Amino acid sequence: NAGVTQTPKFRILKIGQSMTLQCTQDMNHNYMYWYRQDPGMGLKLIYYSVGAGITDKGEVPNGYNVSRSTTEDFPLRLELAAPSQTSVYFCASRTDYEQYFGPGTRLTVT
Amino acid sequence: TQLLEQSPQFLSIQEGENLTVYCNSSSVFSSLQWYRQEPGEGPVLLVTVVTGGEVKKLKRLTFQFGDARKDSSLHITAAQPGDTGLYLCAGREGTYKYIFGTGTRLKVLA
Repeated sequence: NAGVTQTPKFRILKIGQSMTLQCTQDMNHNYMYWYRQDPGMGLKLIYYSVGAGITDKGEVPNGYNVSRSTTEDFPLRLELAAPSQTSVYFCASRTDYEQYFGPGTRLTVT
Repeated sequence: TQLLEQSPQFLSIQEGENLTVYCNSSSVFSSLQWYRQEPGEGPVLLVTVVTGGEVKKLKRLTFQFGDARKDSSLHITAAQPGDTGLYLCAGREGTYKYIFGTGTRLKVLA
């Protein structure tokens, strides 16, 4: 079992560019999440999904978009990247009481 | 949005010492989780507590959920260098969302 996989691992973007962070899970979990983590801090929820076709905003959704066309995939789209979006992005999926995290994508916007 | 404050923010101790990390909120959570995160990796779940007053032990780690389900503590007995990492608490808000604490960075010196 691969669990939760994320690509890419690292990315540098110029201000104003766009990109999609990929997230895939093979555990057939309905719930999936995107978080961002700034240096030395906890995680902030960007978006979440409770199943294919259903998504909702978290604490910090501005500047991001998501879609959930399948149970397995939950991509996060950044439009018009800004320096404030420099962070480490984690995708997670969960059962009733356990969240499983991917290894993260380290994004720098310059 | 509920807030979770962790204390202390940083802790540097000698191997063999005991320590306690606190996670406090003014709001009630339906469950609370503790994670450990190592540099360059995603958080890894240590425990989930669900019932007010619940105590769970995981080898040298003892987790407690407050009676009112607003706070929690993590106690480590005889800390070892392998315990070094960022400890995060996360409270479940409603059915879907998790709110993460501010984090406690622990360093155990050999």
